[in-house]
Amino acid sequence: DTEVTQTPKHLVMGMTNKKSLKCEQHMGHRAMYWYKQKAKKPPELMFVYSYEKLSINESVPSRFSPECPNSSLLNLHLHALQPEDSALYLCASSPLTSRGGGEQFFGPGTRLTVL
Amino acid sequence: ILNVEQSPQSLHVQEGDSTNFTCSFPSSNFYALHWYRWETAKSPEALFVMTLNGDEKKKGRISATLNTKEGYSYLYIKGSQPEDSATYLCAFYGNYGQNFVFGPGTRLSVLP
Repeated sequence: DTEVTQTPKHLVMGMTNKKSLKCEQHMGHRAMYWYKQKAKKPPELMFVYSYEKLSINESVPSRFSPECPNSSLLNLHLHALQPEDSALYLCASSPLTSRGGGEQFFGPGTRLTVL
Repeated sequence: ILNVEQSPQSLHVQEGDSTNFTCSFPSSNFYALHWYRWETAKSPEALFVMTLNGDEKKKGRISATLNTKEGYSYLYIKGSQPEDSATYLCAFYGNYGQNFVFGPGTRLSVLP
């Protein structure tokens, strides 16, 4: 299995809702990433987990809360989001054993709309 | 704030032409440079991971070089085909893996 899966594909939520995005990979990768991507812009890194521990938090607001329950799963918990948080949220994974971090494999993304 | 730049912003070439574009990045605290191919409505797909100064990598008609001392990488496409049309993103991995920033991309259109 050489793919990264993300659910749901689309999510519409109000500013008072709590929702979660899910990402899964079974390639044995020990690094997992969350990105935010606005239309026609490259992905912006949000969080990196290495060996199930948060290693990078790119100054992301606390209304985004990541969680890595095990080496195959990565969640992004959403609470009290703003309309400007509407974007495509991409998950990626990479092997940590490769020099240079290893190429990242991206999931198809979750298209989030905040009303 | 890390500054990763790519040029040109967009490029139109005829089928069969060879082309190249540039990624510029900070020359200090270098860890790795990644190249990705990004088609509209799809997720980025890895092309190369480059770590050593002077690295040259090749995959089919696409190749890349790396100069970490002056902070640039070139991506070359030989004999462009319409299916090469995509945005090519470089990503700078710096500070011993603590920073990972994508460049803005070069959008390539190959005309049949």
